[in-house]
Amino acid sequence: QKEVEQDPGPLSVPEGAIVSLNCTYSNSAFQYFMWYRQYSRKGPELLMYTYSSGNKEDGRFTAQVDKSSKYISLFIRDSQPSDSATYLCAMRNNNDMRFGAGTRLTVKP
Amino acid sequence: DAGVTQSPTHLIKTRGQQVTLRCSPKSGHDTVSWYQQALGQGPQFIFQYYEEEERQRGNFPDRFSGHQFPNYSSELNVNALLLGDSALYLCASSPNRGRVGEQYFGPGTRLTVT
Repeated sequence: QKEVEQDPGPLSVPEGAIVSLNCTYSNSAFQYFMWYRQYSRKGPELLMYTYSSGNKEDGRFTAQVDKSSKYISLFIRDSQPSDSATYLCAMRNNNDMRFGAGTRLTVKP
Repeated sequence: DAGVTQSPTHLIKTRGQQVTLRCSPKSGHDTVSWYQQALGQGPQFIFQYYEEEERQRGNFPDRFSGHQFPNYSSELNVNALLLGDSALYLCASSPNRGRVGEQYFGPGTRLTVT
């Protein structure tokens, strides 16, 4: 079992849809939970990060962490074609950082 | 601010050869980390450099080595290249002891081993 599991997709939605992206993990020592966006042929760009369980909202993006279930989510509201990218979850404790495999999202106009 | 820059953009090498990749960190950052991202996978941590020393290392063989210079720029060297080393190599910089949100990635170097 991988430490971080993420459905690779691909996921295709119409413009304006609500997108839900998820990851599960097995290492309870992870303290920080991040979501990165990676456009084709580019490096990952940090979208959001959270510490501990709960929700965090930033514009159209909401990150959710449930440490008891070892489950994190990223919601994108009113999705736009410019949101088309690969979304990577990542988790970190003091000395260890692990990424999910990424979910490829396409938002169709 | 140019952000994190990496060179070259693309590279093609033959099995058994050696390669050097280069990274310049974002202005004000003194810590550099290297990651390997295979096609369809997330980045995997190779190692981190701070004060010109390797501070932390992931699960990669000794064929992977690095260096950090006094100006904080860094090199990743891979010896005896294998086909499986084909990947996007990402450099990320951050301030020392920086917060989670303070790590920035470069665009990567795509290495193809034939």
